[in-house]
Amino acid sequence: DTAVSQTPKYLVTQMGNDKSIKCEQNLGHDTMYWYKQDSKKFLKIMFSYNNKELIINETVPNRFSPKSPDKAHLNLHINSLELGDSAVYFCASSQDGRGRMNTEAFFGQGTRLTVV
Amino acid sequence: RKEVEQDPGPFNVPEGATVAFNCTYSNSASQSFFWYRQDCRKEPKLLMSVYSSGNEDGRFTAQLNRASQYISLLIRDSKLSDSATYLCVVTASGGYNKLIFGAGTRLAVHP
Repeated sequence: DTAVSQTPKYLVTQMGNDKSIKCEQNLGHDTMYWYKQDSKKFLKIMFSYNNKELIINETVPNRFSPKSPDKAHLNLHINSLELGDSAVYFCASSQDGRGRMNTEAFFGQGTRLTVV
Repeated sequence: RKEVEQDPGPFNVPEGATVAFNCTYSNSASQSFFWYRQDCRKEPKLLMSVYSSGNEDGRFTAQLNRASQYISLLIRDSKLSDSATYLCVVTASGGYNKLIFGAGTRLAVHP
C-alpha cells in the first residue's frame, strides 16, 4: 500500500485554467505538507496542516489554496494557472509537525504540472 | 544567502570510492538535521537523521557541527546504486516540522 499518494501523477493544462491535486496518507500522521520543486530542483515548502489546521503558509500567490477535509487528506487547488507554475508538486506527511524533533517526512510520488 | 547551502555537483566517482558531501546552514536556531536522498524523477526519501554526536549507518556516516553550522555526509565503498541526489535538510526554529532543503548534490557512481 502506498503511504502517501497523490493524483494525478502528470498534469498538462493551458494557462488560465484551474486545477486541483489531491493527496492522501494512510500513515495516521497528524501533519501534511505541500512542497514545490522547480526546474532547478529546489524543494520549497508551500503549506502545512496539522489536524486540519493551517500551521505554515509561506509566501505563495493566493491563486494557490490548500484544503484539508480531514487529517488524512490535503488537496491543493490552483486558480488561473501561469507558465511559472510548472513544477513538480510533492505532498508529504509526518507524525507530528509541532515541537517534535527529528520527525521524518514521507513524500508522495509527486505531480508533474506543465502549464502551456 | 541561502538558508541551506551544499557543495555543487555533480560528483562522478568510481565504484568503491569514498565521497564526502558538505552542507552549511544559516539559522543557528535550527533544531533538526537530516540527509535525504532523491533518485531521478522520484520523491525524496530519508537517508538518515544527523545528531550532534555523529552517527553511522552501514557505509554512511553523518556529522553535525553546531558551532560551525556545518553538516557532512560520508559514503564509503560507493555502489552504483548510490547514484542519486543527496539533499541536506534542516528544520526551522519555531516548533513546527518545517523542512528547509538544500539544492542537493548529485552523485554519479560509475563502474
